[in-house]
Amino acid sequence: DIVMTQSPDSLAVSLGERATINCKSSQNLLYSSNNKNYLTWYQQKPGQPPKLLIYWASTRESGVPDRFSGSGSGTDFTLTISSLQPEDVAVYYCQQFYTTPRTFGQGTKVEIK
Amino acid sequence: EVQLVESGGGLVQPGGSLRLSCVASGFTFSNCNMNWVRQAPGKGLEWVSYISGSSSSIYYADSVKGRFTISRDNAKNSLYLQMNSLRAEDTAVYYCARDSGDYAPFDYWGQGTLVTVSS
Repeated sequence: DIVMTQSPDSLAVSLGERATINCKSSQNLLYSSNNKNYLTWYQQKPGQPPKLLIYWASTRESGVPDRFSGSGSGTDFTLTISSLQPEDVAVYYCQQFYTTPRTFGQGTKVEIK
Repeated sequence: EVQLVESGGGLVQPGGSLRLSCVASGFTFSNCNMNWVRQAPGKGLEWVSYISGSSSSIYYADSVKGRFTISRDNAKNSLYLQMNSLRAEDTAVYYCARDSGDYAPFDYWGQGTLVTVSS
């Protein structure tokens, strides 16, 4: 199984500051035939189901604010929130959809400092 | 509007059984692959099972293989998870989630249904 490891487990960022979450895969998620990384990011707020934020490592889902961006390729990926807003307090998960089982990272909790 | 509504959760004793349902609306259910994902209290997300639109492909996490069975009824726009030989570690909120395509992320999730396995 592909193991997804996120860092840090939690972080506290001041309002308006940048938040950066890392996700490392135990295997390459770049599919050579289409040059796409099979990596997605979800946001989960308390008491709610996860919400799709970013897929193919860097494509924002429709309606997601442009302060959210994804980057990386192969085995190392990053989710960046460029200017943290109060509504961004949540747990963020990366997930690979390169193969089954569709493993998730352990989650990163983002709070306001 | 796409909607996924789970039901069937509850309290069950270890070794017992439960059947979860997920009713879909707002899209052509038979065209979409579906999944069950669970989340233990205070823990992260764990993918449980996948079924293709035609039910021709089915996969399970090792943790539930041989105990859980995923199925669907496209005429009823419904997804199911039959859970047998339940253990305390199966306690979780169970979400149904739609694939946005083949080998694609989960673009819609239900609100979840809580399964508690305890004596």
